[in-house]
Amino acid sequence: GAVVSQHPSWVICKSGTSVKIECRSLDFQATTMFWYRQFPKQSLMLMATSNEGSKATYEQGVEKDKFLINHASLTLSTLTVTSAHPEDSSFYICSAGPGGMNTEAFFGQGTRLTVV
Amino acid sequence: QKEVEQDPGPLSVPEGAIVSLNCTYSNSAFQYFMWYRQYSRKGPELLMYTYSSGNKEDGRFTAQVDKSSKYISLFIRDSQPSDSATYLCAMRRGAGNMLTFGGGTRLMVKP
Repeated sequence: GAVVSQHPSWVICKSGTSVKIECRSLDFQATTMFWYRQFPKQSLMLMATSNEGSKATYEQGVEKDKFLINHASLTLSTLTVTSAHPEDSSFYICSAGPGGMNTEAFFGQGTRLTVV
Repeated sequence: QKEVEQDPGPLSVPEGAIVSLNCTYSNSAFQYFMWYRQYSRKGPELLMYTYSSGNKEDGRFTAQVDKSSKYISLFIRDSQPSDSATYLCAMRRGAGNMLTFGGGTRLMVKP
């Protein structure tokens, strides 16, 4: 299947700092990528839809200024958690697919963020 | 009421058993159905992908979709300890890849 690579796989940062997470589609172009957050033993919560060349679409309750999304190319989307707080500690996962009606969505490996 | 309902488990079975995992949904517009396996601290891995109603088989895995009942299933034959994971059902309406997930079922296969 198609490959989506996410980096880093884990990161520890201090409160108040910013952390950038990268999501790359390695063997296909993705005009749309999705960012999810997952708390322990819970399912994935869609945070935002990243659109290449335009602004991201955020889900209700997700702070746009806190979770900055940039989709500058067809193979790369980044999520920056700004002014991180301990409550931002979570597992963040991106997904993308080659596009079209009959294609699946593939996920990155996830990034475990711990804010101390 | 959630759009997609899935029993969280945990479901514990002995090695070699047939496992049945299920999801129900309320939105009849869903047309594409997926099952993902997620190991702890890893991203979900696509197992099965089905369009509309019917059955699909891949090795030990069989996916069934019954759109009339709004019910999907994943069967795992000859279950192995390595199948122990959380299984997520997901579905989408059509264009694009925005998925609606079930809550996930945690499966434990005991040797």
